[in-house]
Amino acid sequence: DGGITQSPKYLFRKEGQNVTLSCEQNLNHDAMYWYRQDPGQGLRLIYYSQIVNDFQKGDIAEGYSVSREKKESFPLTVTSAQKNPTAFYLCASSGGLAGPSYEQYFGPGTRLTVT
Amino acid sequence: GQQLNQSPQSMFIQEGEDVSMNCTSSSIFNTWLWYKQDPGEGPVLLIALYKAGELTSNGRLTAQFGITRKDSFLNISASIPSDVGIYFCAGQLEAAGNKLTFGGGTRVLVKP
Repeated sequence: DGGITQSPKYLFRKEGQNVTLSCEQNLNHDAMYWYRQDPGQGLRLIYYSQIVNDFQKGDIAEGYSVSREKKESFPLTVTSAQKNPTAFYLCASSGGLAGPSYEQYFGPGTRLTVT
Repeated sequence: GQQLNQSPQSMFIQEGEDVSMNCTSSSIFNTWLWYKQDPGEGPVLLIALYKAGELTSNGRLTAQFGITRKDSFLNISASIPSDVGIYFCAGQLEAAGNKLTFGGGTRVLVKP
C-alpha cells in the first residue's frame, strides 16, 4: 500500500535528551514537511524539503533539525534546545509524478511527551 | 505569518442536519484545501479547489473557492455521527511555493 508512515506512534523522553522522529513515504513524492500540533491548535510548519539534500526552515524551526538524504525519508530531530517539545508531530508529503504539488498527504503522527 | 481565520471554532451537529464552516483571509490564495482530522490521527484531504468560483463535491461534502480568492466554504449535508472531528482549511499563497497556511480548525461535535 502507498502511504506515509511515522514511527513510533507514542514517544516518551526525559528533558535534555535529543530524540529523532521517523517519517517514510512510498508515494514517490518530491516534497516532504514536518508540522507541530498543540492541543486545540492548528498546524505549524517546522521544516520542509522540496528535493533530496535540500531543506528550508518553516515558521518554528528553532530547536529542531532535519535531514533529507533519501527521497523516501525525512527524519526530524527534536533537540534539547527546544523549550516546549511535548506535542503531536505530523509529517506530510506532496508533489512529483504522483499528483499536484499543493495537495499534502499526512502520516498518522507521533505524540512526543517530554518530562 | 499569514493568517487564515476559520469559523466557527466549534459546532454541535444533530444527525441529519446540514452544517457550514468557512475560512477567510486578507490575502489572496491560489489553492484552497479542506482536511478532516480524527482524534490522534493525521489530517485526511477531503477536497482541493484550484479556481476562483469553483464548487466541488465529495459525497456529502461541498466546498467552494470564493470569487475574491480570499475565502472558502465547506458544507456537510445530512450529517452523520462519523462527521465528528476537526476540519481544517489550508491555503496556498502564490509566493509561498508548495507551503500551505492552515486555519485553526473547526471542531464538530455531536449534540448531546
